[in-house]
Amino acid sequence: GEDVEQSLFLSVREGDSSVINCTYTDSSSTYLYWYKQEPGAGLQLLTYIFSNMDMKQDQRLTVLLNKKDKHLSLRIADTQTGDSAIYFCAESTRGGADGLTFGKGTHLIIQP
Amino acid sequence: DTGVSQDPRHKITKRGQNVTFRCDPISEHNRLYWYRQTLGQGPEFLTYFQNEAQLEKSRLLSDRFSAERPKGSFSTLEIQRTEQGDSAMYLCASSLLAGSAGELFFGEGSRLTVL
Repeated sequence: GEDVEQSLFLSVREGDSSVINCTYTDSSSTYLYWYKQEPGAGLQLLTYIFSNMDMKQDQRLTVLLNKKDKHLSLRIADTQTGDSAIYFCAESTRGGADGLTFGKGTHLIIQP
Repeated sequence: DTGVSQDPRHKITKRGQNVTFRCDPISEHNRLYWYRQTLGQGPEFLTYFQNEAQLEKSRLLSDRFSAERPKGSFSTLEIQRTEQGDSAMYLCASSLLAGSAGELFFGEGSRLTVL
């Protein structure tokens, strides 16, 4: 079955880079996503990567995909207090058509 | 605001009562999804619609749960005879079928507390 694993917590100093990691089990995953959830809010799509790509960069965000190891990472450069949230990794196997499978989320804690 | 909207945002009910949640998706989106999120967990898929057709239901969706999308626009999720284990955030999301990478756009959720 499908499974997505993430570390529960990550603590970084303001201004440093944050790297949030995710592993997944389904080798037929076609798209992988990063969502952000702030307290009391819904999930906001940050970025996604297609499975035939290795890297995708969008401003402060860099996504790296190692398909061989089924490992996905999200790097946030110059982490700010506003980046404090829960970050969910998610995958889909049919282009997202049938919904996504989410990890449990990584709490990003920013130290001043 | 043209995002996904959900109503009510919070619902407190007694065990055994019925509750209904409503979701209004982004207007041009033909797919609508319901997810459930409990504390410390990621969202778990419940069901989804393509237009008015319900195409898939998770095993998490017991017989007490029913979802409809009668005109292919808004959707309702009803829980009958609520149990304490139903306490969760119920999230609705919508997406475009064609020409998309399956990005889901989520509403802010309806939080259910069963006493």
